[in-house]
Amino acid sequence: DQQVKQNSPSLSVQEGRISILNCDYTNSMFDYFLWYKKYPAEGPTFLISISSIKDKNEDGRFTVFLNKSAKHLSLHIVPSQPGDSAVYFCAAIHNNAGNMLTFGGGTRLMVKP
Amino acid sequence: DADVTQTPRNRITKTGKRIMLECSQTKGHDRMYWYRQDPGLGLRLIYYSFDVKDINKGEISDGYSVSRQAQAKFSLSLESAIPNQTALYFCATSEGAGIGYGYTFGSGTRLTVV
Repeated sequence: DQQVKQNSPSLSVQEGRISILNCDYTNSMFDYFLWYKKYPAEGPTFLISISSIKDKNEDGRFTVFLNKSAKHLSLHIVPSQPGDSAVYFCAAIHNNAGNMLTFGGGTRLMVKP
Repeated sequence: DADVTQTPRNRITKTGKRIMLECSQTKGHDRMYWYRQDPGLGLRLIYYSFDVKDINKGEISDGYSVSRQAQAKFSLSLESAIPNQTALYFCATSEGAGIGYGYTFGSGTRLTVV
């Protein structure tokens, strides 16, 4: 079973509006959660992370929220821009399990001008 | 030049053929990884190496082998390719501490097995 799940394979948003990408996980031992962004023909690139001891981390237009009790995190992009159109992967890491990333299935975000 | 270079970028091969995907890095990182991406399944770990003498199986290692020829080089082999190994393959490196933001990915190799 996937330990990290992104239940929405795609999301379409109008430019200037908020994009909310969701991620659920099952392993309560995860220490960090990360979001990666992937453009076509490129490898994933790191976007933002959050420690399991925090509930919010903000970086410019990007904010990640963590709800540990619900084992849920979300990425908010405000305002959304056409250049944000990409596939977004949620990932988690367990420091005592070799520090390997476990990825969700990805959500394709399309921001329409 | 890219920090993590994968070759080839695209490859079509026949069932039963042996194929090698190569990865080289200029980051100076000790840790290297091979992932495959399938639609809806995200990236899944095939093999990883924490240094030249250390090779470990990941989540989906069956049908694959790896070789860490040097700190900078980590190759993935499919000894006898099969169609369900058609996927996008990514090599990645990370710093020793292993915190996720240290991962640097290559641009990927799109492999098609016919």
